Amino acid sequence: SAVISQKPSRDICQRGTSLTIQCQVDSQVTMMFWYRQQPGQSLTLIATANQGSEATYESGFVIDKFPISRPNLTFSTLTVSNMSPEDSSIYLCSVDDAFFGQGTRLTVV
Amino acid sequence: GESVGLHLPTLSVQEGDNSIINCAYSNSASDYFIWYKQESGKGPQFIIDIRSNMDKRQGQRVTVLLNKTVKHLSLQIAATQPGDSAVYFCAERDDKIIFGKGTRLHILP
Repeated sequence: SAVISQKPSRDICQRGTSLTIQCQVDSQVTMMFWYRQQPGQSLTLIATANQGSEATYESGFVIDKFPISRPNLTFSTLTVSNMSPEDSSIYLCSVDDAFFGQGTRLTVV
Repeated sequence: GESVGLHLPTLSVQEGDNSIINCAYSNSASDYFIWYKQESGKGPQFIIDIRSNMDKRQGQRVTVLLNKTVKHLSLQIAATQPGDSAVYFCAERDDKIIFGKGTRLHILP
């Protein structure tokens, strides 16, 4: 099993600003995943982050908008850049298809 | 920003009865399937999984059934309890995890 700590748990941000979300895992993992969950909806994969290489983004998500860092095997960050109200969502990190962080509830005003 | 209306299907079950949550998946090449439970304010929690070479798998109070012919997955929860109230997501994996839309389970006293 893996324990994932994600922060912040929630934030309210002004449009045009950026927010960096951190994800810490209590064990070393090869792949970490970032998801978005819009209000009342299911989860959509944003990107897969492997240590030592560029993240792989899914259709509809680009690095300029959602830059990801993966400096080591236990940590990753997702930045939501130049935010607009449409970016208001819950952002979650995940490992091993089974373990998720608590999520970051982002509201852009 | 504008909020999207909740459109998750809902299932209401009497406490103590069995719950059956159904899911249709899309990719016949998917070889692995997972059911998740998501309580309010939390990330998804792994419940049970099944590989495509099986048609049934049982856990503690839960059973997953897989019908590859019609690409259908179901989750059965025995003796439903108030703590089972949550949104349940099925997910399929080919080269990545794809989440279904989710079903909100209400437990009636």
